[in-house]
Amino acid sequence: DTAVSQTPKYLVTQMGNDKSIKCEQNLGHDTMYWYKQDSKKFLKIMFSYNNKELIINETVPNRFSPKSPDKAHLNLHINSLELGDSAVYFCASSQALQGDYEQYFGPGTRLTVT
Amino acid sequence: EDQVTQSPEALRLQEGESSSLNCSYTVSGLRGLFWYRQDPGKGPEFLFTLYSAGEEKEKERLKATLTKKESFLHITAPKPEDSATYLCAVEGAGGYQKVTFGTGTKLQVIP
Repeated sequence: DTAVSQTPKYLVTQMGNDKSIKCEQNLGHDTMYWYKQDSKKFLKIMFSYNNKELIINETVPNRFSPKSPDKAHLNLHINSLELGDSAVYFCASSQALQGDYEQYFGPGTRLTVT
Repeated sequence: EDQVTQSPEALRLQEGESSSLNCSYTVSGLRGLFWYRQDPGKGPEFLFTLYSAGEEKEKERLKATLTKKESFLHITAPKPEDSATYLCAVEGAGGYQKVTFGTGTKLQVIP
């Protein structure tokens, strides 16, 4: 009964490949996010979706494309992977977009690009 | 642009030795300041939200306070299980849940 789940937990791939990370939340939340945490542990927002609609799209290369098939899922597809994409990617959800609701994070996906 | 600076980067305490973690922030219109705990290999776990200067919140051995420029996370008589990285984050008036995180304080509590 995990609240926010991500798959896979580890992803090792070569430069130039395309990969996807999946995220699902069973909290009934309206808003979902993708964050990137670099080697210095800095957590930076990439995207947020509210009711399947893209709300925040930070300065992220267009090789990254989020897709929200429904309110409970937000997947991240990455094209033409580069060494600098190596990081831990966290999915999160919150009750709503407006207001100051806390975010619930998934366990993370450690992406290593070789 | 919203900014969050946390200090110290790392803190080592003996069990029972109380201390405080600092989070300094600059934000255009604070909507909320959040504290999260992150264990190695896991996602951040929500602890507190503070909304206005003077507000305080407590949970077990943790107490968070807020002024107009900074927040403190006080840890009273810590135990080894309190060892984790503590992250501070702010949401500014730009809203839409664009939360800016600090780089965290890594706390180690030694038995």
